[in-house]
Amino acid sequence: KAGVTQTPRYLIKTRGQQVTLSCSPISGHRSVSWYQQTPGQGLQFLFEYFSETQRNKGNFPGRFSGRQFSNSRSEMNVSTLELGDSALYLCASSIRPVVTGVRDGYTFGSGTRLTVV
Amino acid sequence: AQSVSQHNHHVILSEAASLELGCNYSYGGTVNLFWYVQYPGQHLQLLLKYFSGDPLVKGIKGFEAEFIKSKFSFNLRKPSVQWSDTAEYFCAVTPGEGGATNKLIFGTGTLLAVQP
Repeated sequence: KAGVTQTPRYLIKTRGQQVTLSCSPISGHRSVSWYQQTPGQGLQFLFEYFSETQRNKGNFPGRFSGRQFSNSRSEMNVSTLELGDSALYLCASSIRPVVTGVRDGYTFGSGTRLTVV
Repeated sequence: AQSVSQHNHHVILSEAASLELGCNYSYGGTVNLFWYVQYPGQHLQLLLKYFSGDPLVKGIKGFEAEFIKSKFSFNLRKPSVQWSDTAEYFCAVTPGEGGATNKLIFGTGTLLAVQP
């Protein structure tokens, strides 16, 4: 089965611009979460969506936003880009939000590498 | 706030050596625990996970981890590493109570280099 698909794979943007990243989860997965990976901060949670509703949000400024569509695909948007937003943005999907004892797992996409210049 | 600590940032081993990577978390409630691996240029892959039951968890590629609740630890082990195990390893935790969540809290990662 197809994995988690993130597009585009690479992006170069200029400071002040905005960017939209896309994530298509595994078929049948309804839960999507986003992470930012940088050498200095590691992997940090951005948001979590299930059934088009944001369930959790990480400690990021309001310039970072996201949404989920009825087909479970998700997008994240970063407005007014800053140099520090350069990172690998990862999307993970699962069948549903994980519940203790249920042997679900998260599958990660390959990420979108965003470079802000 | 919940946090995950990986004390070894860089580990260099020779092939056939044994591996143990430390992971400690700070959440006091029920947790789900994970180890992920990121090979150079590849995406994060799940090595193993603990949800409940037997605290000794076996994963892929000969890896295992032991959940010790009293020590808030979930250390990763492999008896004999191979050059192909060269990668970055991440420990992660998610609360297992208070409502279902996908929010994974990651450690800072351990870069493992295995010398042939």
